[in-house]
Amino acid sequence: ILNVEQSPQSLHVQEGDSTNFTCSFPSSNFYALHWYRWETAKSPEALFVMTLNGDEKKKGRISATLNTKEGYSYLYIKGSQPEDSATYLCAIRSGAGSYQLTFGKGTKLSVIP
Amino acid sequence: ETGVTQTPRHLVMGMTNKKSLKCEQHLGHNAMYWYKQSAKKPLELMFVYSLEERVENNSVPSRFSPECPNSSHLFLHLHTLQPEDSALYLCASSQDREQVYEQYFGPGTRLTVT
Repeated sequence: ILNVEQSPQSLHVQEGDSTNFTCSFPSSNFYALHWYRWETAKSPEALFVMTLNGDEKKKGRISATLNTKEGYSYLYIKGSQPEDSATYLCAIRSGAGSYQLTFGKGTKLSVIP
Repeated sequence: ETGVTQTPRHLVMGMTNKKSLKCEQHLGHNAMYWYKQSAKKPLELMFVYSLEERVENNSVPSRFSPECPNSSHLFLHLHTLQPEDSALYLCASSQDREQVYEQYFGPGTRLTVT
């Protein structure tokens, strides 16, 4: 069973602070990594899909990096805003032919105005 | 309407009831998924349909029965559920087997079994 760990479980930051959190996965079972942003009572929203070691992706104030050799990805948020409050989910796809995404439990971010 | 829609958004049912959850995608995708999220647990894949055929073999109790009549619609038929089946049920869709594909999610159905 593939194990995807996210840390921290929850995080409170002040508006304007920058923050980051981690997704860890077995490096031997990796094809692609997905980051999702999930606001309460809404649908999870895709942020990034990453496949290559050393990959970096950016969308506005949010960016992500990927290290497939050591099995981790970081998600960074620069200058957090209250609207960034959400649960951030990481999911791993372990093979090109597999439909399965294995999710972590998520990091719940609260940005205090 | 765009994206992935799910109905109902909330459902309360007794253990002897039969009910169905409905999912519809308006994205032209050909793969659809049911996920379950229980409290304090990660999203778990229940069922996958590709081109209306069930694929992947996840172990799910037979009291959950999926149906995919066409590539835009997915149902989850529920019967004789247990209180521990209370959870958020999410539907998703994707374009089948793209090299780097995204799953697009609906808002979920919050199910309570009494």
